Formats: sequence, C-alpha cells, structure tokens
Amino acid sequence: RKEVEQDPGPFNVPEGATVAFNCTYSNSASQSFFWYRQDCRKEPKLLMSVYSSGNEDGRFTAQLNRASQYISLLIRDSKLSDSATYLCVVNSIETSYDKVIFGPGTSLSVIP
Amino acid sequence: DGGITQSPKYLFRKEGQNVTLSCEQNLNHDAMYWYRQDPGQGLRLIYYSQIVNDFQKGDIAEGYSVSREKKESFPLTVTSAQKNPTAFYLCASRGWGSGANVLTFGAGSRLTVL
Repeated sequence: RKEVEQDPGPFNVPEGATVAFNCTYSNSASQSFFWYRQDCRKEPKLLMSVYSSGNEDGRFTAQLNRASQYISLLIRDSKLSDSATYLCVVNSIETSYDKVIFGPGTSLSVIP
Repeated sequence: DGGITQSPKYLFRKEGQNVTLSCEQNLNHDAMYWYRQDPGQGLRLIYYSQIVNDFQKGDIAEGYSVSREKKESFPLTVTSAQKNPTAFYLCASRGWGSGANVLTFGAGSRLTVL
C-alpha cells in the first residue's frame, strides 16, 4: 500500500460546480497535513494546511479525520483558474528526521 | 523577497556527462530537499538535508550526489550513473509559515538528456 493515496482523477467539472478530493495515508503517527496545488510544468505551491478541527479559506475547505486516516479538500463554486493538480502532503516524524510524503496528485479541469 | 532560486531552468546534457543543478534559498531554512518529477507522476525524494554538512538519501538517490556546505545552498549533481535522468527537478526548503512547518519550492530545473 502506498503511504499516501489520492483519487486517481482526472476530474472534469463545469464552472460553478463543487468538487471534493480525497486522500488517505497509512502512517497513523503522521502529524501534519497539507494540500498543495501544482499548475502544469510549474512547481507545487502551498494551498492550505489541514487542521484537526477542519479549516476554510474562501471557497476551499479542508478536513482531517485522524481515526480514518483520511483528508479531504472541497472546492466550491469552481473557477477556470482552479484547473491544476492537487497534491495531498503528509508529514511524520520518523526515527531521526521529518518525512514529507506527497500523494500522486489529482488533476482538476474546470470547463466553461 | 525571500525565496528559492534554482538554475538553470532548462538544461540539455549528452549521455555520459555529469551536470550540477543549483539551489539557493534566502529563507533562513535549515532543511532542504531535492525531488524528481516525471511526466504525469508524483514527486519522489532524491536527497534531503536537515542541517549544514549533513544530508541523507531519499527514495531514489542512486546516480545523484549532493553537498551542503552552506545553509543557503544545496546543489544536486546528476551523474552519468543515473540511467534515466530526463525529468523535472524540484528543490525545496522547509520552515515555519502559514502556521505550520511547510515546504517552499523553487521554480524547478528541467533536464533533458540527448
């Protein structure tokens, strides 16, 4: 089993739609969680951190379920500019270092 | 402005040549990382360094080498031993921001072997 898994995608949605991405992680000792966004041929950029209580940033809502080892990202009122690949990122402390694991990403295309 | 600078942005190499990719950060971050990304694939960790003069192999270190002589700099050498080096290489550093210990990436270096 991969350490971080995401919906395979791609997701093709019309403008204005609500879309949800799911991510699961295998290491129950994982401590921090993030969503990154990567545009085509560009570097990943932090979209938002994910907190245990859930958090919202404008049209974006992130949720964490530690018991199920599950993270989600909800995008409401999708815009054309939301088209990108969304990466789930999990951080855990292993014996002597911080381990940062990226999921494979889920591609989103928002269609006019 | 603080950030991470990678160079060159594009690089072409002949088989059998070593090339070095530069990564410089002025964020005062201790930890730095090198990732490789192939088309349609996720990021794979090559090497990381948590402090000056120390670095550790990641998941795909074979055919690569690094140094960390200064806090600001973490160059990656792609050696001739790397069998399939054509890829997008991303350097990152890690430090506190947005309320968490987050990775910040450079713009990447795209290496093509001819």
